[in-house]
Amino acid sequence: SQTIHQWPATLVQPVGSPLSLECTVEGTSNPNLYWYRQAAGRGLQLLFYSVGIGQISSEVPQNLSASRPQDRQFILSSKKLLLSDSGFYLCAWRDTGYYGYTFGSGTRLTVV
Amino acid sequence: GQQLNQSPQSMFIQEGEDVSMNCTSSSIFNTWLWYKQDPGEGPVLLIALYKAGELTSNGRLTAQFGITRKDSFLNISASIPSDVGIYFCAGEETSGSRLTFGEGTQLTVNP
Repeated sequence: SQTIHQWPATLVQPVGSPLSLECTVEGTSNPNLYWYRQAAGRGLQLLFYSVGIGQISSEVPQNLSASRPQDRQFILSSKKLLLSDSGFYLCAWRDTGYYGYTFGSGTRLTVV
Repeated sequence: GQQLNQSPQSMFIQEGEDVSMNCTSSSIFNTWLWYKQDPGEGPVLLIALYKAGELTSNGRLTAQFGITRKDSFLNISASIPSDVGIYFCAGEETSGSRLTFGEGTQLTVNP
């Protein structure tokens, strides 16, 4: 079966520290992958998406970057975190031909 | 870019009441989806709609794909405390295009 793993579940990081969030998908190949951020429990802001290895599209210029080193691995990074980077980060994937996205369980990031 | 207007932003209801929320867009969508997000979790797909006029049920949930293809609604009947969460609509303009999400409806159910 197809599953998506996202970790860590929660993270508290000081301002200026680096960040690495990882997302992996199992049971499928060549999925479209997405990183979203959700602030204050409301809307979903698309940060990055990828249609293949090494292919990253950025939606919003910001302090973050994404990479896809393997077909089913998507990484969200930052060199120096800002207070405004706090939020709930969600990874999602879509199989070719399937309309909906499947979301991971999210990472709650608090920058202090 | 494409935007979806989802309303209401929040709802506070009593257990047992029915709930209705909707989404509208300025452009035509080929697919409408409804998600629910429990507190601290990722959104989970509730219902997917693929044809204009389609009415689909999932237990106490019913969703419809508007005839104009520019709107969709979700109804929840006889609400219960576990219905609490954020409900998102999402639309797809063409097959394979990225989903556009509404801003969400925060539902609170008082026992």
